[in-house]
Amino acid sequence: EIVLTQSPGTLSLSPGERATLSCRASQSLSTVDIAWYQQNPGQAPRLLIYHTSNRATGIPDRFSGGGSGTEFTLTISRLEPEDFAVYYCQQCGRSPRAFGRGTKVEMK
Amino acid sequence: EGQLVESGGGLVQPGGSLRLSCAASGFALSRHTIHWVRQSPGKGLEYVSAISGDGGWTYYADSVKDRFTVSRDNSKNTLYLEMGSLRSEDMALYYCAKEGAAGYWYYDLWGRGTLVTVSS
Repeated sequence: EIVLTQSPGTLSLSPGERATLSCRASQSLSTVDIAWYQQNPGQAPRLLIYHTSNRATGIPDRFSGGGSGTEFTLTISRLEPEDFAVYYCQQCGRSPRAFGRGTKVEMK
Repeated sequence: EGQLVESGGGLVQPGGSLRLSCAASGFALSRHTIHWVRQSPGKGLEYVSAISGDGGWTYYADSVKDRFTVSRDNSKNTLYLEMGSLRSEDMALYYCAKEGAAGYWYYDLWGRGTLVTVSS
């Protein structure tokens, strides 16, 4: 079983600041294996990043993903008001697959 | 881009059954593998089941194997999840989601979800 540990649990920042979210895997993964989602209250998750660093259609370039091995990151270069949400990483490649438990980005 | 709309959720007693539907519009469901993913406060996001475009391949999480059955009717552009022997741990918001690329379980289109409550 692969476990994805996201940190921090909550990130308190102000609009305009940079957010760096971490996703640590319990075993080494390929870079094609990681995706990131944003979820706002009452809404379904929205795909942001796939294959570690590819932005999904329509996703602004302030969102970027990176990493390798067991350490992956999602970076939001300058937070906009609509970016305050919960973010999930996902192991989406070969089995076993998993979701992380999420990082909440809240407004300070 | 298309849309997915789930329906069929509701309140059911432990041991009961429920059938969820996932209707697609704006694209042909037959060309895509579709997954069911559920979300609950206790367990977060969980893979539940999946079915290929032609229905020839299916997946079930161990927790639902032998209790849930996924199927599709491409003529109606609709997917189904038959849920039986329901337990309290099955209580969640159930989403259907479209696979973003063949063989990779990232989802580029989600429905809004349908809520399943299991309680006596």
